[in-house]
Amino acid sequence: GAVVSQHPSRVICKSGTSVKIECRSLDFQATTMFWYRQFPKQSLMLMATSNEGSKATYEQGVEKDKFLINHASLTLSTLTVTSAHPEDSSFYICSARDWADEKLFFGSGTQLSVL
Amino acid sequence: ILNVEQSPQSLHVQEGDSTNFTCSFPSSNFYALHWYRWETAKSPEALFVMTLNGDEKKKGRISATLNTKEGYSYLYIKGSQPEDSATYLCAPKPYNQGGKLIFGQGTELSVKP
Repeated sequence: GAVVSQHPSRVICKSGTSVKIECRSLDFQATTMFWYRQFPKQSLMLMATSNEGSKATYEQGVEKDKFLINHASLTLSTLTVTSAHPEDSSFYICSARDWADEKLFFGSGTQLSVL
Repeated sequence: ILNVEQSPQSLHVQEGDSTNFTCSFPSSNFYALHWYRWETAKSPEALFVMTLNGDEKKKGRISATLNTKEGYSYLYIKGSQPEDSATYLCAPKPYNQGGKLIFGQGTELSVKP
């Protein structure tokens, strides 16, 4: 099956620094990628949808200047948490879909801890 | 916002037991309902995508049914094995949500040998 690689799997950073998370589709072209955030014991919450070559569409309440999403190629999307603060500590996970398939292929997630 | 509820939140069964859990959502028009299986430290993996009322899909010992009129889907596991231990997520895809999936909190299944 299709593989989505997400890195890093875990990151610890100081407050005020920026963190970049990469999501790559390894064996298919991901026309659409999704970024989710999950707090403990809660469901996956969609943050934004990105289509290759265009600006991401952010969900209500998600700050686009805080969570920068780039989808410059059909195999790579990045999420940058800018000037991270402790309240940004969370689990972030990406998923991708190609044009021919309804189902999503997920990365393995990134646990972000901001000190 | 569509409210998706999964029950139970967690389930502990013995190897060999059959089990089932529920995904409930307000009955409304939607494109599809997805089920994903998420093992610890791994990526969520798609199990089923169902679109029609009355749909029933099967993959090995796991099967799922969909009732769009009453707004629920059941996932069944026959003869649970320890390797079935995972969190099972359901996600409807409503017409009025711009094509995105709305995930439930999941049912965490633990199968003891």
